[in-house]
Amino acid sequence: DTGVSQDPRHKITKRGQNVTFRCDPISEHNRLYWYRQTLGQGPEFLTYFQNEAQLEKSRLLSDRFSAERPKGSFSTLEIQRTEQGDSAMYLCASSLDLSVYEQYFGPGTRLTVT
Amino acid sequence: DQQVKQNSPSLSVQEGRISILNCDYTNSMFDYFLWYKKYPAEGPTFLISISSIKDKNEDGRFTVFLNKSAKHLSLHIVPSQPGDSAVYFCAASAEYNTDKLIFGTGTRLQVFP
Repeated sequence: DTGVSQDPRHKITKRGQNVTFRCDPISEHNRLYWYRQTLGQGPEFLTYFQNEAQLEKSRLLSDRFSAERPKGSFSTLEIQRTEQGDSAMYLCASSLDLSVYEQYFGPGTRLTVT
Repeated sequence: DQQVKQNSPSLSVQEGRISILNCDYTNSMFDYFLWYKKYPAEGPTFLISISSIKDKNEDGRFTVFLNKSAKHLSLHIVPSQPGDSAVYFCAASAEYNTDKLIFGTGTRLQVFP
C-alpha cells in the first residue's frame, strides 16, 4: 500500500524547542497539503504545495511555522520555538491535479508540547 | 467563524438501521462537498462527495443528499454496520479556492449490535 506516510507518528517536546515533521505523499500526487487538528475540531488548513511551489498559507501558520517541498516529492513542516498551543495532530494529505477535491490523508503526527 | 457545522457531536444507531449524519454550511460559494471517515489513530479517509449541481450521490450503502437552498447536506448509511463506527467529518470547498477544504467538527457514530 503506497498511501500517504508521516514521520514521526508521535513527538513530545519541551516548550521552546524546534520540531520537524515529514510527509511522503502518494507518489503520483503533485499536490500536498498540511492541516492541523485539535481535540474536538475538524482538520484546519495550514498550507499547500503544487509540486515544489507553496501556493497558499493560512493565517494559522505563524512565522514560527515553515513548510518546504524542495523537490516536489516529500514535504517537511518545521515549528520553531514551540508553544503549548502548538500541541495538536498535524495531518498531511495529497491529491492529483485532476481530483483536487479528493485529498488522501496520512495518519498524522501527534505533537505534545510540555 | 464556523463555515461548516456538524451540530450533533455523537450518534448511536443499532446495526441494520439507517444512520443519518447532518451538516450545515454558511458560505454560498461552496460548490463541492465531501464526507470523510476517521478511525482512531488514523487519518481521515475519503468516503463520498457531491457537486453542487447535484442533489444526490449514491455509492453502495452510502448516500449524500444536498439541499442548496437550506445549505444543508446529509449522509445516509443503510444498513449501518458495526465497522461504520467512526468519526465522520463533513467538508466543503469553494470554486475560487478548490484546494482548501473546510471541515466541520465531526460526528462520532457508534453502531451497536
